[in-house]
Amino acid sequence: TQLLEQSPQFLSIQEGENLTVYCNSSSVFSSLQWYRQEPGEGPVLLVTVVTGGEVKKLKRLTFQFGDARKDSSLHITAAQPGDTGLYLCAGAWNQGGKLIFGQGTELSVKP
Amino acid sequence: DTEVTQTPKHLVMGMTNKKSLKCEQHMGHRAMYWYKQKAKKPPELMFVYSYEKLSINESVPSRFSPECPNSSLLNLHLHALQPEDSALYLCASSQISQVNYGYTFGSGTRLTVV
Repeated sequence: TQLLEQSPQFLSIQEGENLTVYCNSSSVFSSLQWYRQEPGEGPVLLVTVVTGGEVKKLKRLTFQFGDARKDSSLHITAAQPGDTGLYLCAGAWNQGGKLIFGQGTELSVKP
Repeated sequence: DTEVTQTPKHLVMGMTNKKSLKCEQHMGHRAMYWYKQKAKKPPELMFVYSYEKLSINESVPSRFSPECPNSSLLNLHLHALQPEDSALYLCASSQISQVNYGYTFGSGTRLTVV
């Protein structure tokens, strides 16, 4: 059972364009985490959002946690080729230590 | 030290071999994890260790045997694997209350079973 639906799965854009990646679930999470992964490497944590309605900014990246803590979005402004990679959302619960990943969004930014 | 170190980086093994993957962290994290990742897919949880005790086994076949000798080390012992077990094996660690802090992942071991 896939608990986290991430969309789109593939995205190819030109440098300078904006984009949004969505992560949706029917489950309520204690937190939503976003990771970026490059080929042959492990995922690297970008941000953790914990409070419903929370918005966090990391340079050109804006992360939002839905009010009901079931969904999240990642918006990138003026994408650059260095943003290319696999973006993964992941949901966590307070107990058990489990972190469940969405299917991932493969982003390609062309110069 | 803010890293999770995994060795080896690459491993090729036959179906009758026994090998081990190693993972080390010195961040004082008391939760450690093994994930398996196939190409173009998200990581899939295999095992969770909390305070050096196995707390979650996601119905992983017994040919994968985890071990946590101390709070800094995590091993994954491999025996009689199948070609479909070829994948990137990722180790991660976190604070026990990881919901606010996220995981730190290693770079993984690329395993090929021949």
